[in-house]
Amino acid sequence: SAVISQKPSRDICQRGTSLTIQCQVDSQVTMMFWYRQQPGQSLTLIATANQGSEATYESGFVIDKFPISRPNLTFSTLTVSNMSPEDSSIYLCSVRGQGLGEAFFGQGTRLTVV
Amino acid sequence: GDSVTQMEGPVTLSEEAFLTINCTYTATGYPSLFWYVQYPGEGLQLLLKATKADDKGSNKGFEATYRKETTSFHLEKGSVQVSDSAVYFCALSVLGNKLVFGAGTILRVKS
Repeated sequence: SAVISQKPSRDICQRGTSLTIQCQVDSQVTMMFWYRQQPGQSLTLIATANQGSEATYESGFVIDKFPISRPNLTFSTLTVSNMSPEDSSIYLCSVRGQGLGEAFFGQGTRLTVV
Repeated sequence: GDSVTQMEGPVTLSEEAFLTINCTYTATGYPSLFWYVQYPGEGLQLLLKATKADDKGSNKGFEATYRKETTSFHLEKGSVQVSDSAVYFCALSVLGNKLVFGAGTILRVKS
């Protein structure tokens, strides 16, 4: 199993500002995943972050809006840039277990943009 | 592309009632199937999984059987408790690629 710590757990931000979310895993993993869960909705994958290479973004998400860093095998950050109220969501970090089976999730970051 | 369809909620049941949450999928390959649960204010937790046809995943009294012929993975529990109130997500993964989630089904259990 993997234990994932996400920070901050919640934040209220002014529109036009940026927020960086941190994700720390207790073991080395190749791929880390960032999801968005809008209010009352399912999870949507934003991007996949591999150590040592640029993140791979899903359709509808761009690096300028959601820059990601992956400096080592246990840590990643997601920045939500130039925020608007539409960015109010829960953002979740995830890793896959051995053999890319079970996924483990952080507690999430509940972001409110006012 | 790959997709997961879940029955819409919310599902409201009385304690000790039988639960079924339907889940069907479309996949280009041969997927692994998962049920995740999200309790109020918490992150997602894996509830159960199945990796090949006819596999039955089970945990905490919940069960789901991987039915390739009907492309389904319905979640069942014989007797629900108030503590089972949560959002349940069906998901698939093909060849270890990204997880694709269903829309989620809210379950409310009344005492």
